[in-house]
Amino acid sequence: DQQVKQNSPSLSVQEGRISILNCDYTNSMFDYFLWYKKYPAEGPTFLISISSIKDKNEDGRFTVFLNKSAKHLSLHIVPSQPGDSAVYFCAASERDNYGQNFVFGPGTRLSVLP
Amino acid sequence: DTGVSQDPRHKITKRGQNVTFRCDPISEHNRLYWYRQTLGQGPEFLTYFQNEAQLEKSRLLSDRFSAERPKGSFSTLEIQRTEQGDSAMYLCASSLQAFQETQYFGPGTRLLVL
Repeated sequence: DQQVKQNSPSLSVQEGRISILNCDYTNSMFDYFLWYKKYPAEGPTFLISISSIKDKNEDGRFTVFLNKSAKHLSLHIVPSQPGDSAVYFCAASERDNYGQNFVFGPGTRLSVLP
Repeated sequence: DTGVSQDPRHKITKRGQNVTFRCDPISEHNRLYWYRQTLGQGPEFLTYFQNEAQLEKSRLLSDRFSAERPKGSFSTLEIQRTEQGDSAMYLCASSLQAFQETQYFGPGTRLLVL
C-alpha cells in the first residue's frame, strides 16, 4: 500500500512556463513534507520542505503548496529551465518514538523543453 | 567536498557472494540512514542510526543484510549470499537531529547481482 503517490510518471513543459508536480498521501499522521530532485547517477538533492502547520513555502523559483484536508501537495517551478529536467520525489515524514521516518513517492520525471 | 560520500559507486557481483558498502556522512550529522531504490520507485527505507545505535530496521532488511556504524561516524552495509533481487541502488543519507530534519543523500552505490 503506497502511502505517498505521484500519479504522473512524467511531465513535459516548455522552457519559461510553469511546471506543476503533484503528490498525494494517505497517512494523516504525516506532518512534514519534502521535495527532492534527482539527476541520473546522482543521489537525490533536497529542494524544499513544508511543515503541516503551513500551507505554502517559497524558495526562489520553487513553491510548495500543502492542502491537508485533501492530503495533497504540489511543487510549482516558475519559470521552468532546461536544467530543471530531472526526476522529482515527494517525501513525507511522521515522528515516531525514535525520530522521523521518511516515505518517498515513486517520482515524476520532468522534461523542460527549450 | 563535505557532502555524503559512498564507496564504491558501482559493484557487480555473482549470486551468492558477499558485498560491503561504505557511507561517510556529513561530519557533524549524528543520524545516518540507508535506503534502497529500484527502477521506477522512490527510495525505500532500510535502517537508521543515531550516533552508533541502530534504532530502526525495515522489514525489507532480511537476515542477509547487516549494517554497522561502529564509532558513530561512517557506516557499512553488508549483504551476505547476494541474490539477483538485491540488484538496486543503495543510498545513504545523513541528517542533524532536529524536530523536522532534512536528510542529505550521497550519490549511491549501484549493485548488480549476476
